[in-house]
Amino acid sequence: AIQMTQSPSSLSASVGDRVTITCRASQGIRNDLDWYQHKPGQAPKLLIFAASNLPRGVPSRFSGSGSGTDFTLTINGLQPEDFATYYCLQDYNFGRGTKLEIK
Amino acid sequence: QVQLQESGPGLVKPSQTLSLICTVSGGSISSGSYYWSWIRQPAGKGLEWVGRIYTAGTTSYNPSLKSRVTVSLDTSKNQFSLKLSSVTAADTAVYYCSRDVQLTYGNSPSPFNWGQGTLVTVSS
Repeated sequence: AIQMTQSPSSLSASVGDRVTITCRASQGIRNDLDWYQHKPGQAPKLLIFAASNLPRGVPSRFSGSGSGTDFTLTINGLQPEDFATYYCLQDYNFGRGTKLEIK
Repeated sequence: QVQLQESGPGLVKPSQTLSLICTVSGGSISSGSYYWSWIRQPAGKGLEWVGRIYTAGTTSYNPSLKSRVTVSLDTSKNQFSLKLSSVTAADTAVYYCSRDVQLTYGNSPSPFNWGQGTLVTVSS
């Protein structure tokens, strides 16, 4: 089974900052990777699909990159509503999540 | 716009079977090339994919849960269901249902539309 290693597990940042979250697959997965945002009490939301594509309605400050085994989610210019937990997902394998907190 | 709503008992006794239903509105569960999934989140932990069924009826399950999980469709009611047998306290979680879409040819389907989740507690 493919293992997804996500880091960091938590991150403190300020409004306006640029943050980066990474996910590494235990074997090559081409671009078959999604990113989700999850806020307490809400359903998770798809942010990025196929490593670098934004669904309609997702702000352009979110971006994704990578292929093969190494992937990155970047948020440019953090907004107050961005503080949440982020997960990568490959098929049925979620990463362990990154909790983004306000510094 | 499609909407999903989970329902079922909030409390299940250890060793019994957890049963949940996801009711889909705003679209037919039997039309289109969609997958229908269950995903859970234990308190204080991350998301865990449980299982999925394709519109045509093909299923796939998390290998760690495979021996205990059944996902099925009820097209007459526009619902799909989850059954998880022999539950323990470790199965206590918020359970989400989702409609998964294959957004890129050749890639895995992505959970795109979600229910709000329902908390199931396993306790005697």
